[in-house]
Amino acid sequence: AQTVTQSQPEMSVQEAETVTLSCTYDTSESNYYLFWYKQPPSRQMILVIRQEAYKQQNATENRFSVNFQKAAKSFSLKISDSQLGDTAMYFCAFMKGYGNKLVFGAGTILRVKS
Amino acid sequence: SAVISQKPSRDICQRGTSLTIQCQVDSQVTMMFWYRQQPGQSLTLIATANQGSEATYESGFVIDKFPISRPNLTFSTLTVSNLSPEDSSIYLCSVDATGSSGANVLTFGAGSRLTVL
Repeated sequence: AQTVTQSQPEMSVQEAETVTLSCTYDTSESNYYLFWYKQPPSRQMILVIRQEAYKQQNATENRFSVNFQKAAKSFSLKISDSQLGDTAMYFCAFMKGYGNKLVFGAGTILRVKS
Repeated sequence: SAVISQKPSRDICQRGTSLTIQCQVDSQVTMMFWYRQQPGQSLTLIATANQGSEATYESGFVIDKFPISRPNLTFSTLTVSNLSPEDSSIYLCSVDATGSSGANVLTFGAGSRLTVL
């Protein structure tokens, strides 16, 4: 079974600075997908970024980028130029393949301070 | 990506009663997923619902407690039966819909917050 570990329960960052959230996972699959979701207080789950395991290039979405280390089974999220609206719970998630379930990590609460 | 309407947004129920949550999608999707998020916790999959077949339940979840219907490719319901305070959670539906990039994208409803007294 796949597992996802987020070792940072809470993180804080000053507005405009950069923060990195950690995620490791365990799987015997060779092809899979990795995700970061954001859940603000509104509780709506919002997809931040997605990485396909067969792609070596790290995914980027504007201020959000990942450091995907397949051999180390590591998938960290870097948020640049942090904004107050980035304050949320961030979940790392794993999916074995198309149409399969998401397995979530425990989450990291990120607080952006002004 | 798909747009999901989930109802109710929140509800307060008495123990022993049941609550049915609806999930409506604006496009046809093959698979729908129901998740539970207990207070301060992560999301845990309850079951996967395919149209025309019985839902597939994860370990620790049973059909008698969480019956699911999937009458067509755009709609599903999750019922939480015989409610107890331990059922107080957020329940979310999710669908696997193809994004504009052509790769699969999982979209979530806004969630239904259930409080059991």
